[in-house]
Amino acid sequence: DIQMTQSPSSLSASVGDRVTITCRASQGITNDLGWYQQKPGKAPKRLIYSASSLPSGVPLRFSGSGSGTEFTLTITNLQPEDFATYYCLQYNDYPRSFGQGTKLEIK
Amino acid sequence: EVQLVESGGGLVKPGGSLRLSCAASEFSLSNYHMNWVRQAPGKGLEWVSSISASGRFINYADSVKGRFTISRDNAKNSLYLQMNTLRDEDTAIYYCVGTYDPFDYWGQGTLVTVSS
Repeated sequence: DIQMTQSPSSLSASVGDRVTITCRASQGITNDLGWYQQKPGKAPKRLIYSASSLPSGVPLRFSGSGSGTEFTLTITNLQPEDFATYYCLQYNDYPRSFGQGTKLEIK
Repeated sequence: EVQLVESGGGLVKPGGSLRLSCAASEFSLSNYHMNWVRQAPGKGLEWVSSISASGRFINYADSVKGRFTISRDNAKNSLYLQMNTLRDEDTAIYYCVGTYDPFDYWGQGTLVTVSS
């Protein structure tokens, strides 16, 4: 099974900051990785697919990079609505696996 | 508005059964790879099961294999999860997820509570 190790588990930042979240896969997954944002009491929302592609409607301050085993989600110019929990998901193989989550809090 | 709406959650005793349903509106599920993902209270996301668009290919997490059955009825635009021999650790919000890149839709979730 592929394990996804996400770091950090929590992060404090200020509006306007740039933050980076990392996911490492236990084996190569090419670019079969997505990033999700979840706010309290809500379903997750996909921000990135195929490691670096943005679906329509996702703000350009979100970007993803990486391939193989190491991936990053970068948020530039943090906005108040970005404070949430973020998860990565590998869909290269079954069983699918999520990272443990990163809670992004306001400093 | 494109929506996935889950139903069928509730309180059930350990060893009991429930059947979750997920209905799509304003889009056809037939091209979508469908999944169930769950989230235990205060915990992270856990993938449960997937079914291909045709229904031919099905996969399960080890934690539910042999107890849960995923199915779909494209004619009814619906996805299902039959959950048998439920355990305390199955308590979670269950989300229905449809993916057909670049589209990825989630339902609002349905709460399953397994408790005596």
